Amino acid sequence: QKEVEQDPGPLSVPEGAIVSLNCTYSNSAFQYFMWYRQYSRKGPELLMYTYSSGNKEDGRFTAQVDKSSKYISLFIRDSQPSDSATYLCAMSASSTGFQKLVFGTGTRLLVSP
Amino acid sequence: AAGVIQSPRHLIKEKRETATLKCYPIPRHDTVYWYQQGPGQDPQFLISFYEKMQSDKGSIPDRFSAQQFSDYHSELNMSSLELGDSALYFCASSLRQFSGNTIYFGEGSWLTVV
Repeated sequence: QKEVEQDPGPLSVPEGAIVSLNCTYSNSAFQYFMWYRQYSRKGPELLMYTYSSGNKEDGRFTAQVDKSSKYISLFIRDSQPSDSATYLCAMSASSTGFQKLVFGTGTRLLVSP
Repeated sequence: AAGVIQSPRHLIKEKRETATLKCYPIPRHDTVYWYQQGPGQDPQFLISFYEKMQSDKGSIPDRFSAQQFSDYHSELNMSSLELGDSALYFCASSLRQFSGNTIYFGEGSWLTVV
């Protein structure tokens, strides 16, 4: 079983919908949580970064971390066709500054006009 | 803002050949990471360097080696290439000074082994 589980999708939504993307994990030592967006054949682009439990909001994006349930979420409001991409959750247990990230498999999101 | 620069962007090699990938981190970043992403797979951590010293090691084959130079750029050397080495290789960088600081990825180098 992978340390980080993520539904690969694809997740298809109409433009303007609220999108919910989720990951579960098994390693209770994870304390740094990130969401990356990856377009086809491109590098992962950092969207959100959260330390420990709680919520973080940045524009149309909201990241939530529930360490008690080992569950993290990314919400996208007012989704746009340009949001169509693969969304990867990533986590790290490092407290030394060396971020050996463990990734989920990524969820492919398709936003139709 | 300057990002992580990787070269070459695309590379085609034959089996048993050698390939070298280069990575130039974001200015002032002192830590470099290498990841491998196979088709339809999530990125897998290979190796990382901090201040020219190896800081962590993941699932990097013995046929691969890497180093970080005095100007903080890094090179990933891959020898005796196999078909299964065909993948997208990402370099990423961060600033270790701030614990938990985030990693920024380059655009990747596509390696195709034929």
